[in-house]
Amino acid sequence: DAKTTQPPSMDCAEGRAANLPCNHSTISGNEYVYWYRQIHSQGPQYIIHGLKNNETNEMASLIITEDRKSSTLILPHATLRDTAVYYCIRCRRNQGGKLIFGQGTELSVKP
Amino acid sequence: DTAVSQTPKYLVTQMGNDKSIKCEQNLGHDTMYWYKQDSKKFLKIMFSYNNKELIINETVPNRFSPKSPDKAHLNLHINSLELGDSAVYFCASSQDVAGSYEQYFGPGTRLTVT
Repeated sequence: DAKTTQPPSMDCAEGRAANLPCNHSTISGNEYVYWYRQIHSQGPQYIIHGLKNNETNEMASLIITEDRKSSTLILPHATLRDTAVYYCIRCRRNQGGKLIFGQGTELSVKP
Repeated sequence: DTAVSQTPKYLVTQMGNDKSIKCEQNLGHDTMYWYKQDSKKFLKIMFSYNNKELIINETVPNRFSPKSPDKAHLNLHINSLELGDSAVYFCASSQDVAGSYEQYFGPGTRLTVT
């Protein structure tokens, strides 16, 4: 049970920001929100993670609502190479690092 | 340098055979994992090892036996292969088992059982 809800697919124009939503309304206080992506036929790639605060790195920004029930991954300037399946995952500190992947969002970046 | 590597990349074999997939990480991580991605693209964890000790075993059939000779290696041996074992198997590693560490995945091994 992935316990996160994501739209199955989204489109984004090249050069525009891609905003990928995730609902995790039953998240516990000790669960992180992780984002990974899987480009066709490759291994999943870590993007970003957070607990309570918004986070930013060279790949993306993660916005977590104050009640932690949902989050948004933002790719500020999407490129064709960002076309992939994006997974929003909850991960507990004491769960042996177990990642439970859901169906994810298939993002298509179009020229 | 490849951080997490797997061999072979492709493996085609017949039902009933025994095969192994190897995984190596050069990141100095303590924890390694095996995931299975089936034909419907669902990724599911199978095992995790921390410092050569089994931490997670997700109700995987006994025909699957992971072996960790050292921290940098986690191999997967599969006995009596079945058609349903056809999938892509991904190895991953992380600094530790704590939920605050990201996992780095290998390129995958596509296993086809005929």
